[in-house]
Amino acid sequence: AQKITQTQPGMFVQEKEAVTLDCTYDTSDQSYGLFWYKQPSSGEMIFLIYQGSYDEQNATEGRYSLNFQKARKSANLVISASQLGDSAMYFCAMRGGGGFKTIFGAGTRLFVKA
Amino acid sequence: GAGVSQSPSNKVTEKGKDVELRCDPISGHTALYWYRQSLGQGLEFLIYFQGNSAPDKSGLPSDRFSAERTGGSVSTLTIQRTQQEDSAVYLCASSSYSSEKLFFGSGTQLSVL
Repeated sequence: AQKITQTQPGMFVQEKEAVTLDCTYDTSDQSYGLFWYKQPSSGEMIFLIYQGSYDEQNATEGRYSLNFQKARKSANLVISASQLGDSAMYFCAMRGGGGFKTIFGAGTRLFVKA
Repeated sequence: GAGVSQSPSNKVTEKGKDVELRCDPISGHTALYWYRQSLGQGLEFLIYFQGNSAPDKSGLPSDRFSAERTGGSVSTLTIQRTQQEDSAVYLCASSSYSSEKLFFGSGTQLSVL
């Protein structure tokens, strides 16, 4: 069975500093995809970054990078130069199971301090 | 519109009533998902449709929940005999083979009194 674990219910970071949000996953699939989504207080789900299981390079999108460690089954999100607007809920997700089924972790609430 | 559309945006119902929630995915998207999000919580997977394949219903919490997808497009999530614990935001998302990411609707806020 597939599972996503986010162990940090809440995180604080000082503005302009970097922060790492943890995500570990469990799957028996060889081919899978890992995602991070941001959910601000408005409730919308914003796609941030994607990493395929066969991608050798860590994915990067602007200030977001995904630290993919396949052997450890971790897919941590790194946000560089945090901004006040980064304060939100962050969800790690995984697609696998031979199709497009996508499951989400419990989320980490990030607070950026001025 | 080009995005995923959900209706209604808000639904208030009495305990024991049936409700139907609608999702209109992005045209051409073959995969459609339903998730439930309780206040301040994560996204709980409910059901997933992929093309003409049988849906993956493994996340439906009870037999009071059902969903269908007509013509490979619009989907309806039905909750029968609603209970107070069904109160949550129900999110729909769709995706295509050419894009890894899910596109989400704005959700339906369901309140069961």
